[in-house]
Amino acid sequence: SQQGEEDPQALSIQEGENATMNCSYKTSINNLQWYRQNSGRGLVHLILIRSNEREKHSGRLRVTLDTSKKSSSLLITASRAADTASYFCATDDNNNDMRFGAGTRLTVKP
Amino acid sequence: DGGITQSPKYLFRKEGQNVTLSCEQNLNHDAMYWYRQDPGQGLRLIYYSQIVNDFQKGDIAEGYSVSREKKESFPLTVTSAQKNPTAFYLCASSGVRWVQPQHFGDGTRLSIL
Repeated sequence: SQQGEEDPQALSIQEGENATMNCSYKTSINNLQWYRQNSGRGLVHLILIRSNEREKHSGRLRVTLDTSKKSSSLLITASRAADTASYFCATDDNNNDMRFGAGTRLTVKP
Repeated sequence: DGGITQSPKYLFRKEGQNVTLSCEQNLNHDAMYWYRQDPGQGLRLIYYSQIVNDFQKGDIAEGYSVSREKKESFPLTVTSAQKNPTAFYLCASSGVRWVQPQHFGDGTRLSIL
């Protein structure tokens, strides 16, 4: 069963614009992770945010976590064509079961 | 370079045939996982292993089997009991189950002949 639900399912923007993807989940979590997947490839880990953290940054990536709303967002600033990929959130709940959402498919047009 | 190697990249299965997907890691990770990904969907857990000679069923283990005889290797067998095996299969590993980020291989795409 899926825990995280990404929104939107697909997003198309121009190079240089910011991209925001959201993830909502149902049960309490220990941490939330964001992954990226290029077409036909494996997933690559981007950021892990723990349940007691509210925001984390990594280069052009900014992740926020609101445990009261059971939601997280991934912001990619100044997007590039190379950012075109699918982005997944994964939640680790109190049963130590990790669940992936269905992903947001991001297209960055040059 | 350390990483996870999955082979083959493409695999075709005939009716009634078992096929085995290979997954090898040289990251010295204890935990390893197998996921199935269908088009436009997220990952679903098939099996995971936290230590050699031990493994647990995930959400969709029916029709699949695994072994963990070596720390580096976690092969997945898709048996003839799996009636809808066409999918993209991903293997991953991590230092500690779920707590640390998972490292993924580049997947095996399995199709039915």
